[in-house]
Amino acid sequence: AQSVTQLGSHVSVSEGALVLLRCNYSSSVPPYLFWYVQYPNQGLQLLLKYTSAATLVKGINGFEAEFKKSETSFHLTKPSAHMSDAAEYFCAVSFNQGGKLIFGQGTELSVKP
Amino acid sequence: NAGVTQTPKFRILKIGQSMTLQCAQDMNHNYMYWYRQDPGMGLKLIYYSVGAGITDKGEVPNGYNVSRSTTEDFPLRLELAAPSQTSVYFCASRTGVTGELFFGEGSRLTVL
Repeated sequence: AQSVTQLGSHVSVSEGALVLLRCNYSSSVPPYLFWYVQYPNQGLQLLLKYTSAATLVKGINGFEAEFKKSETSFHLTKPSAHMSDAAEYFCAVSFNQGGKLIFGQGTELSVKP
Repeated sequence: NAGVTQTPKFRILKIGQSMTLQCAQDMNHNYMYWYRQDPGMGLKLIYYSVGAGITDKGEVPNGYNVSRSTTEDFPLRLELAAPSQTSVYFCASRTGVTGELFFGEGSRLTVL
């Protein structure tokens, strides 16, 4: 079965520290992978996506993610956290056939001053 | 462009009532989706469609129905509302399997 799992429902970092949000997927076919961000009381916004081109993907607001097929992972990173990064982050997976797009459980990121 | 439009934004239902959440997009997207969002559970896919006349079940389809008679519209029908259907519902659309999802503003439904 195809699925996506985000490890850690809450992550807290200090301002300026590295942000690492984990995402693993399960799939028997090549996936397309996405990270979305949701700020409080707002809709979801695309951060970045992997669609079988470069394995290291750069997105908006300084975020990037690396597709690692051997680890079935697509972790999201940012070298230096800002207060404005506090939000909920969702990993999502899609596939070449069928059109289904499923989301992980989400990780809430807190940034301490 | 209006993007993805959902109505209503808020609704309170009594147990056993039925209603339809409307969703329309003006971007000529073939792929449309309905999700529900509950705290700590992320977004769960209810139904999706890859084109007019084609719909398929997602992760949590029980208690819901959809139709897709046109490219633009993708209504979600709740039959016999139950408290477990209290949630925020999002409609979304995209061009294809690698496309960015465009979301509506959400519909907050409470079943009492």
